[in-house]
Amino acid sequence: ILNVEQSPQSLHVQEGDSTNFTCSFPSSNFYALHWYRWETAKSPEALFVMTLNGDEKKKGRISATLNTKEGYSYLYIKGSQPEDSATYLCAFAPGGATNKLIFGTGTLLAVQP
Amino acid sequence: NAGVTQTPKFQVLKTGQSMTLQCAQDMNHEYMSWYRQDPGMGLRLIHYSVGAGITDQGEVPNGYNVSRSTTEDFPLRLLSAAPSQTSVYFCASSFRAGGIHNEQFFGPGTRLTVL
Repeated sequence: ILNVEQSPQSLHVQEGDSTNFTCSFPSSNFYALHWYRWETAKSPEALFVMTLNGDEKKKGRISATLNTKEGYSYLYIKGSQPEDSATYLCAFAPGGATNKLIFGTGTLLAVQP
Repeated sequence: NAGVTQTPKFQVLKTGQSMTLQCAQDMNHEYMSWYRQDPGMGLRLIHYSVGAGITDQGEVPNGYNVSRSTTEDFPLRLLSAAPSQTSVYFCASSFRAGGIHNEQFFGPGTRLTVL
């Protein structure tokens, strides 16, 4: 059974705070690691797809790093804003030319004004 | 482009009834997937497809059937609904370019209640 774990489960921060979350995944048979942002009453939307060890990706105030050898990825949000409030999901894609994704349970971020 | 569409948005079934959740995409994506979302469980993969005529089981396939006769459509069938299948169901599609799978695009979801 492939296990993808995210921590913390939830996080409450003040506007302007910087924060980070962790995604742990199997370090063997790695193909890709996805990050998604999921707002309440909407559908998940992709932030990043990362495939190479040492990858760093950035989109505005959000960035992510990847360590495939030890099986973890960090998502960073710099200067959190209330509109960043959402659940952040990571998903592990095991090796093989398929679209199979195993999701973690997510980190719920609440940013207070 | 409409993206990924799902119908119906809401459905209530009685135990033992059957139904089909519809999913369609107009982006010519090869890959499609079905997930269910339950509180505290995240998204769990039910079935997925890598192209027309090809499907495979995900983490929680029992009680569900799929087929992929066209690139556009990927219906999910509940053969005999059970209360344990009460959930929100999401369909997603994706494509591969340059040998790398890209992000999945999700539909709006179907909220199913089984009484």
